[in-house]
Amino acid sequence: AQKITQTQPGMFVQEKEAVTLDCTYDTSDPSYGLFWYKQPSSGEMIFLIYQGSYDQQNATEGRYSLNFQKARKSANLVISASQLGDSAMYFCAMRDPTGGFKTIFGAGTRLFVKA
Amino acid sequence: DGGITQSPKYLFRKEGQNVTLSCEQNLNHDAMYWYRQDPGQGLRLIYYSQIVNDFQKGDIAEGYSVSREKKESFPLTVTSAQKNPTAFYLCASSIVTAYGYTFGSGTRLTVV
Repeated sequence: AQKITQTQPGMFVQEKEAVTLDCTYDTSDPSYGLFWYKQPSSGEMIFLIYQGSYDQQNATEGRYSLNFQKARKSANLVISASQLGDSAMYFCAMRDPTGGFKTIFGAGTRLFVKA
Repeated sequence: DGGITQSPKYLFRKEGQNVTLSCEQNLNHDAMYWYRQDPGQGLRLIYYSQIVNDFQKGDIAEGYSVSREKKESFPLTVTSAQKNPTAFYLCASSIVTAYGYTFGSGTRLTVV
């Protein structure tokens, strides 16, 4: 069965430092997509980054990068040069054909950026 | 600008009432989804639709109903059979097999 696990309920980081948010996943399908979303206190979900299971290189989008370790079924999000506006909930998610192309979400990690 | 509009932003329901949450998109996306989020938790899928006039149950469909009569619209009805409806409801849309979802800004439903 599909599963997404985020083991860090909360994380603190100093402004301008880098932070890694952990995510592990489980699926029996060789073809899948991994996503990270940001949810500020206002509630909307913002798509950050995508990694396909067959992509050879780790995905990057500005200050966001995805550390994809396929053998370990790990898809950690790295935020470089943290900003106060990065304080939010972050959700790891997965989508695969086994699940009918639905997306399942982890429980989330709340990130606090300190000034 | 294209996007997803959810209304209302806040909704109060009395015990035993049905309420309908609106979700409209102008992105020309075929697929639409309804998720429920409880405090401090991730999103759980209620219903989804990949084409007009067709929809499937998600993981927590009991007590909810949907319709997909138009590509742009995917309303969710929370029925009196849903015993614990107080939650934050998010609607999303996507190209069926493409990348991430576009989400609406959500509806916060409270039972009073």
